[in-house]
This record gives sequence, structure tokens and C-alpha cells, in this order.
Amino acid sequence: KAGVTQTPRYLIKTRGQQVTLSCSPISGHRSVSWYQQTPGQGLQFLFEYFSETQRNKGNFPGRFSGRQFSNSRSEMNVSTLELGDSALYLCASRPSGGAHEQFFGPGTRLTVL
Amino acid sequence: ILNVEQSPQSLHVQEGDSTNFTCSFPSSNFYALHWYRWETAKSPEALFVMTLNGDEKKKGRISATLNTKEGYSYLYIKGSQPEDSATYLCASVTQNFVFGPGTRLSVLP
Repeated sequence: KAGVTQTPRYLIKTRGQQVTLSCSPISGHRSVSWYQQTPGQGLQFLFEYFSETQRNKGNFPGRFSGRQFSNSRSEMNVSTLELGDSALYLCASRPSGGAHEQFFGPGTRLTVL
Repeated sequence: ILNVEQSPQSLHVQEGDSTNFTCSFPSSNFYALHWYRWETAKSPEALFVMTLNGDEKKKGRISATLNTKEGYSYLYIKGSQPEDSATYLCASVTQNFVFGPGTRLSVLP
């Protein structure tokens, strides 16, 4: 079974631009969560999607949004990029919800100049 | 505000030493506690999912215990090996996953 994949792996943008990141979960997994990891901040929860609906949302500004498609693939969008958005963005999938472990993708490293 | 803490922040041990780290989490509204290992240049990998007070789980040389009443979990590594070098993360699951800052373990040969 293929693991979680994320594209692109690396991205360089400038302030004010917008960016879209993609995540393909493990086949059969319906839940996809997104995290931001910055030095000194650890993994910060952005949001979780389940069956095309946002189920939970972390404490991030409205510039961060996401969606999930019928095949469970998910995209995350960040508009009006700021320097502080430079981070590693990880997505994780799991079969449904509850206490199931998450399976993480390799991440997208976003650099905002 | 849910706050998950981990100690120590980093740890250096010699190969063969046994070690342990702590994860503290709010005990109210507890649902599950996850442990992950995150090696450099790789993705976080799940070690344990723990849900019941008094749970004890083991995978090879690594084991974990859970106390939901007082809000802590211990991760133990017996006979540390250089390949155990990684950041160990715990995450408290209520409505969302809230990760602790991690314990960075370095095992010196």
C-alpha cells in the first residue's frame, strides 16, 4: 500500500503570493489533517478534513484554508503569504477518526522570501 | 487552552543505556495519547496509541505507560542504540491532535 504523498516537496514563494499544497492519503483513509512545523514551535494543527468536510480547525488565520475531494485527496491553500509562513507543512491521514494513529507524508518545505 | 509538555527537551545517552521521557497533558476530556518517533529527514512514525488509564504498551525495546487521572505518560527505551536517535513526540487527542514540543534523543556509539 502506498504511503501518504505530498506535492510539491519544496516551494519558494515571495510575500503576498498564494500557494496550494497537495496531499494524497493512504488508499482507504478518509481523514486528512494538516500541520505546520516551525523551529521552536513544534507541530501545530491546522485543520482536519473527513469525507470532504472540515471537521476540526486549529488556531490559524483565515489566510489558511483547505479542502478535500471525493477521492480523499486534500489541498491546503495559503493566501497573501508572509515571511512567518515559512515552514514545513505536513499532512497525515488515518482511516476515520477516533484514536487511530496518523500516517504522515514527507512534507512540503515552503520558503517565503 | 490545551497544553502538552514534554521533558527533557533533549537527551544524550551512551549506547546500551536505558532512558525514559515524560509527556504531560491535561487530564480533562482525555480521549487518547499518541507517541511518535521523528527521525531526521523522515516523516513522524507512530509508536503507540494509548487510551486506557494504566495502559502499558511495548514494541521491541520501547515501551510506554499511561496515567490519565494525573495526566502523564512515560516512554522507556531499554538498551538504547544509535538508530534510536530521533525526536520523540507525544500528542494528546481530544477534539484535535495537540502535539508536545518533543524530546530529542541522541544515542552516542
